[in-house]
Amino acid sequence: QVQLVQSGAEVKKPGASVKVSCKASGYTITRYFMHWVRQAPGQGLEWMGIINPNGGSTTYAQKFQGRVTMTRDTSTSTLYMELSSLRFEDTAVYYCARKGFGELSEGIDYWGQGTLVTVSS
Amino acid sequence: SYELTQPPSVSVSPGQTAKISCSGDKLGDKYVCWYQQKPGQSPVLVIHQDIKRPSGIPERFSGSNSGDTATLTISGTQAMDEADYYCQAWDSSTAVFGGGTKLTVL
Repeated sequence: QVQLVQSGAEVKKPGASVKVSCKASGYTITRYFMHWVRQAPGQGLEWMGIINPNGGSTTYAQKFQGRVTMTRDTSTSTLYMELSSLRFEDTAVYYCARKGFGELSEGIDYWGQGTLVTVSS
Repeated sequence: SYELTQPPSVSVSPGQTAKISCSGDKLGDKYVCWYQQKPGQSPVLVIHQDIKRPSGIPERFSGSNSGDTATLTISGTQAMDEADYYCQAWDSSTAVFGGGTKLTVL
Protein backbone atom coordinates (compact mmCIF):
# COMPACT_ATOMS: atom_id res chain seq x y z
CA GLN A 1 0.00 0.00 0.00
CA VAL A 2 1.12 3.52 -0.75
CA GLN A 3 2.54 5.42 2.22
CA LEU A 4 4.11 8.85 2.52
CA VAL A 5 5.86 9.23 5.87
CA GLN A 6 7.17 12.67 6.73
CA SER A 7 9.80 13.81 9.17
CA GLY A 8 8.94 15.15 12.60
CA ALA A 9 7.99 18.58 13.82
CA GLU A 10 10.56 21.38 13.68
CA VAL A 11 11.06 24.65 15.54
CA LYS A 12 13.18 27.24 13.76
CA LYS A 13 14.23 30.83 14.31
CA PRO A 14 13.43 33.57 11.81
CA GLY A 15 15.97 33.63 9.01
CA ALA A 16 16.86 29.96 9.36
CA SER A 17 16.10 27.15 6.91
CA VAL A 18 14.10 23.96 7.33
CA LYS A 19 14.27 20.73 5.36
CA VAL A 20 11.29 18.39 5.49
CA SER A 21 11.56 14.83 4.23
CA CYS A 22 8.91 12.54 2.79
CA LYS A 23 9.70 8.83 2.49
CA ALA A 24 7.56 7.07 -0.08
CA SER A 25 6.79 3.37 -0.10
CA GLY A 26 4.46 1.01 -1.91
CA TYR A 27 5.21 2.38 -5.36
CA THR A 28 8.07 3.50 -7.62
CA ILE A 29 8.68 7.18 -6.90
CA THR A 30 9.98 7.97 -10.38
CA ARG A 31 6.54 7.23 -11.83
CA TYR A 32 4.64 9.91 -9.92
CA PHE A 33 5.14 13.63 -9.46
CA MET A 34 5.05 14.93 -5.89
CA HIS A 35 3.42 18.14 -4.70
CA TRP A 36 4.29 20.10 -1.58
CA VAL A 37 1.36 21.88 0.05
CA ARG A 38 1.25 23.86 3.27
CA GLN A 39 -1.47 24.89 5.68
CA ALA A 40 -1.05 27.67 8.21
CA PRO A 41 -2.92 27.27 11.52
CA GLY A 42 -6.66 27.63 10.92
CA GLN A 43 -6.08 28.48 7.26
CA GLY A 44 -6.54 26.83 3.90
CA LEU A 45 -4.30 24.76 1.68
CA GLU A 46 -1.53 26.55 -0.19
CA TRP A 47 0.33 24.96 -3.10
CA MET A 48 4.09 25.41 -2.96
CA GLY A 49 5.30 23.47 -5.97
CA ILE A 50 5.85 20.11 -7.59
CA ILE A 51 8.78 17.86 -8.42
CA ASN A 52 9.15 15.17 -11.04
CA PRO A 53 11.26 12.53 -9.26
CA ASN A 54 12.24 11.14 -12.66
CA GLY A 55 14.94 13.65 -13.45
CA GLY A 56 14.27 16.11 -10.63
CA SER A 57 12.64 18.92 -12.60
CA THR A 58 10.57 21.32 -10.51
CA THR A 59 7.89 23.96 -10.78
CA TYR A 60 7.51 26.35 -7.86
CA ALA A 61 4.67 28.69 -6.97
CA GLN A 62 5.71 32.24 -7.70
CA LYS A 63 5.29 33.16 -4.04
CA PHE A 64 8.08 30.78 -3.03
CA GLN A 65 10.47 31.26 -5.93
CA GLY A 66 13.99 31.80 -4.60
CA ARG A 67 13.17 30.44 -1.13
CA VAL A 68 12.09 26.85 -1.79
CA THR A 69 14.05 23.91 -3.12
CA MET A 70 12.51 20.51 -3.83
CA THR A 71 14.80 17.54 -4.32
CA ARG A 72 14.69 13.77 -4.25
CA ASP A 73 16.90 10.77 -3.53
CA THR A 74 15.68 7.91 -5.68
CA SER A 75 17.99 5.43 -3.92
CA THR A 76 16.02 5.86 -0.69
CA SER A 77 12.65 6.84 -2.22
CA THR A 78 12.76 10.06 -0.24
CA LEU A 79 11.73 13.52 -1.30
CA TYR A 80 12.75 16.77 0.36
CA MET A 81 11.43 20.29 0.61
CA GLU A 82 13.74 22.99 1.93
CA LEU A 83 12.44 26.46 2.75
CA SER A 84 14.94 29.19 3.55
CA SER A 85 14.82 32.66 5.12
CA LEU A 86 11.99 31.56 7.38
CA ARG A 87 9.50 34.14 8.64
CA PHE A 88 6.90 33.91 11.39
CA GLU A 89 4.21 33.53 8.72
CA ASP A 90 5.87 30.33 7.47
CA THR A 91 4.55 28.57 10.56
CA ALA A 92 2.39 25.82 9.06
CA VAL A 93 1.86 22.14 8.51
CA TYR A 94 3.75 21.07 5.40
CA TYR A 95 2.45 18.13 3.36
CA CYS A 96 3.95 16.04 0.63
CA ALA A 97 1.19 14.83 -1.66
CA ARG A 98 1.38 12.48 -4.63
CA LYS A 99 0.04 13.64 -7.98
CA GLY A 100 -2.32 11.08 -9.43
CA PHE A 101 -1.77 9.22 -12.67
CA GLY A 102 -4.00 8.72 -15.69
CA GLU A 103 -7.53 9.94 -15.08
CA LEU A 104 -6.45 10.93 -11.56
CA SER A 105 -3.62 13.07 -12.90
CA GLU A 106 -5.40 16.37 -12.21
CA GLY A 107 -5.57 15.60 -8.52
CA ILE A 108 -3.71 14.36 -5.47
CA ASP A 109 -4.35 10.76 -4.54
CA TYR A 110 -2.15 10.31 -1.46
CA TRP A 111 -1.02 12.73 1.25
CA GLY A 112 1.65 12.51 3.90
CA GLN A 113 0.70 12.96 7.53
CA GLY A 114 2.06 16.50 7.58
CA THR A 115 5.02 18.12 9.33
CA LEU A 116 4.49 21.07 11.64
CA VAL A 117 7.12 23.76 11.21
CA THR A 118 7.02 26.48 13.84
CA VAL A 119 8.98 29.69 13.35
CA SER A 120 9.61 31.32 16.69
CA SER A 121 12.23 33.58 18.19
CA SER B 1 -2.46 34.72 -10.76
CA TYR B 2 -5.49 32.48 -11.00
CA GLU B 3 -7.91 32.45 -8.08
CA LEU B 4 -10.62 30.08 -6.92
CA THR B 5 -13.31 31.48 -4.64
CA GLN B 6 -15.37 29.42 -2.19
CA PRO B 7 -17.93 30.48 0.42
CA PRO B 8 -16.37 30.33 3.89
CA SER B 9 -19.19 28.27 5.33
CA VAL B 10 -22.22 26.21 4.39
CA SER B 11 -24.75 24.71 6.77
CA VAL B 12 -27.06 21.78 6.12
CA SER B 13 -29.46 19.62 8.10
CA PRO B 14 -28.82 15.88 8.31
CA GLY B 15 -30.35 14.07 5.33
CA GLN B 16 -30.55 17.20 3.22
CA THR B 17 -28.46 18.20 0.20
CA ALA B 18 -25.40 20.39 0.62
CA LYS B 19 -23.96 22.37 -2.28
CA ILE B 20 -20.52 23.98 -2.13
CA SER B 21 -19.49 26.29 -4.93
CA CYS B 22 -16.07 27.14 -6.35
CA SER B 23 -15.73 29.98 -8.83
CA GLY B 24 -12.95 31.04 -11.15
CA ASP B 25 -12.49 32.61 -14.54
CA LYS B 26 -13.57 30.11 -17.22
CA LEU B 27 -13.32 27.35 -14.63
CA GLY B 28 -15.48 25.15 -16.81
CA ASP B 29 -12.56 24.86 -19.23
CA LYS B 30 -10.46 23.21 -16.53
CA TYR B 31 -10.79 20.00 -14.54
CA VAL B 32 -11.70 20.51 -10.89
CA CYS B 33 -10.91 18.28 -7.93
CA TRP B 34 -12.47 18.41 -4.47
CA TYR B 35 -10.88 17.43 -1.17
CA GLN B 36 -12.39 16.76 2.24
CA GLN B 37 -10.35 17.56 5.34
CA LYS B 38 -11.42 16.71 8.86
CA PRO B 39 -9.78 18.31 11.90
CA GLY B 40 -6.27 17.06 12.51
CA GLN B 41 -6.26 14.91 9.36
CA SER B 42 -4.73 15.14 5.91
CA PRO B 43 -7.06 15.98 3.02
CA VAL B 44 -8.81 13.23 1.07
CA LEU B 45 -9.72 13.39 -2.62
CA VAL B 46 -13.49 13.03 -3.04
CA ILE B 47 -14.03 14.21 -6.64
CA HIS B 48 -11.67 14.40 -9.63
CA GLN B 49 -12.14 15.42 -13.26
CA ASP B 50 -15.16 17.46 -12.20
CA ILE B 51 -17.52 14.54 -11.69
CA LYS B 52 -15.65 11.32 -10.90
CA ARG B 53 -15.47 9.66 -7.49
CA PRO B 54 -12.29 7.81 -6.49
CA SER B 55 -12.68 4.28 -5.24
CA GLY B 56 -14.17 4.21 -1.76
CA ILE B 57 -15.92 7.56 -1.89
CA PRO B 58 -19.67 7.26 -1.21
CA GLU B 59 -22.13 7.83 -4.04
CA ARG B 60 -23.70 10.75 -2.17
CA PHE B 61 -20.72 12.87 -3.29
CA SER B 62 -21.05 14.31 -6.79
CA GLY B 63 -19.64 17.20 -8.76
CA SER B 64 -20.35 19.47 -11.69
CA ASN B 65 -18.47 22.19 -13.52
CA SER B 66 -19.70 24.69 -16.09
CA GLY B 67 -19.02 28.28 -17.01
CA ASP B 68 -17.23 29.94 -14.13
CA THR B 69 -18.51 27.68 -11.34
CA ALA B 70 -17.88 24.17 -10.10
CA THR B 71 -20.14 22.64 -7.47
CA LEU B 72 -19.68 19.82 -5.00
CA THR B 73 -22.99 18.26 -4.03
CA ILE B 74 -23.48 15.99 -1.04
CA SER B 75 -26.85 14.26 -1.12
CA GLY B 76 -28.35 12.87 2.07
CA THR B 77 -25.67 14.62 4.13
CA GLN B 78 -24.51 12.73 7.20
CA ALA B 79 -22.90 13.97 10.38
CA MET B 80 -19.63 12.35 9.27
CA ASP B 81 -19.54 14.71 6.28
CA GLU B 82 -18.91 17.71 8.53
CA ALA B 83 -15.48 18.92 7.40
CA ASP B 84 -13.62 21.52 5.39
CA TYR B 85 -13.84 21.17 1.63
CA TYR B 86 -11.37 22.54 -0.90
CA CYS B 87 -11.60 22.81 -4.66
CA GLN B 88 -8.46 22.61 -6.78
CA ALA B 89 -7.61 23.21 -10.43
CA TRP B 90 -4.55 23.69 -12.63
CA ASP B 91 -3.59 26.93 -14.33
CA SER B 92 -0.43 27.39 -16.36
CA SER B 93 1.29 24.34 -14.87
CA THR B 94 0.57 25.44 -11.30
CA ALA B 95 -2.01 23.99 -8.95
CA VAL B 96 -4.46 26.34 -7.29
CA PHE B 97 -6.64 25.69 -4.26
CA GLY B 98 -9.77 27.49 -3.26
CA GLY B 99 -9.89 29.07 0.17
CA GLY B 100 -11.98 26.26 1.61
CA THR B 101 -15.55 25.89 2.86
CA LYS B 102 -16.48 24.69 6.32
CA LEU B 103 -19.51 22.40 6.07
CA THR B 104 -21.57 22.26 9.24
CA VAL B 105 -24.20 19.55 9.64
CA LEU B 106 -26.76 20.64 12.20
